[in-house]
Amino acid sequence: DIQMTQSPSSLSASVGDRVTITCQASQDISNYLNWYQQKPGKAPKLLIYDASNLETGVPSRFSGSGSETEFTFTITSLQPEDIGTYYCQQYNDLPWTFGQGTKVEIK
Amino acid sequence: EVQLVESGGGLVQPGGSLRLSCAASGFTFSNFAMSWVRQAPGRGLEWVSVMSGSATNTYYRESVKGRFTISRDNSKSTLYLQMKSLRAEDTAVYYCAKSLDIVVASAMSPWGQGTLVTVSS
Repeated sequence: DIQMTQSPSSLSASVGDRVTITCQASQDISNYLNWYQQKPGKAPKLLIYDASNLETGVPSRFSGSGSETEFTFTITSLQPEDIGTYYCQQYNDLPWTFGQGTKVEIK
Repeated sequence: EVQLVESGGGLVQPGGSLRLSCAASGFTFSNFAMSWVRQAPGRGLEWVSVMSGSATNTYYRESVKGRFTISRDNSKSTLYLQMKSLRAEDTAVYYCAKSLDIVVASAMSPWGQGTLVTVSS
């Protein structure tokens, strides 16, 4: 199975801060990488697909980049409603696998 | 508006069976692959299974092969997950999710609200 390693596992930042999460794949996954947001008690929500494409309706402060094994997810200006856990997910190879998650909190 | 509503979860004894359903609306169901993803209490996300829109292609994670069966009724816009020989480690919230694209391998959006399966004696 392809292992997805996210860092950090948690972070605390102030409103307005720039937040960056990285995701490393154990092998080349091209750009078959998605990012999801999960708020407490809710279902995951797709934010970024194919490494850098913003899902319809998602605010432009969210962005993604990268390819092959190294990927980055960025929130340019953290908002209070952005608290939750963020997951990367590869679909280059079955079984599709997720990173362990990054919990984002407001300082 | 696309909506996915799961049902069928509950408490079941080890070795027991359960069938989950996911009722879809707001899109042409047969045109999209559908997946099941689970999340054990306090844990991360784990993909379980996916089925193509035409039901010709199905895939499972290794730990559920031979025990879980994904199926769909396109006339009812409903996805199913038949689970048997359940184990304690299958305890999780089970989400159904629509593929973003017509192909099996794509992002998943949106997701249903989830249904809790608890395997315990």
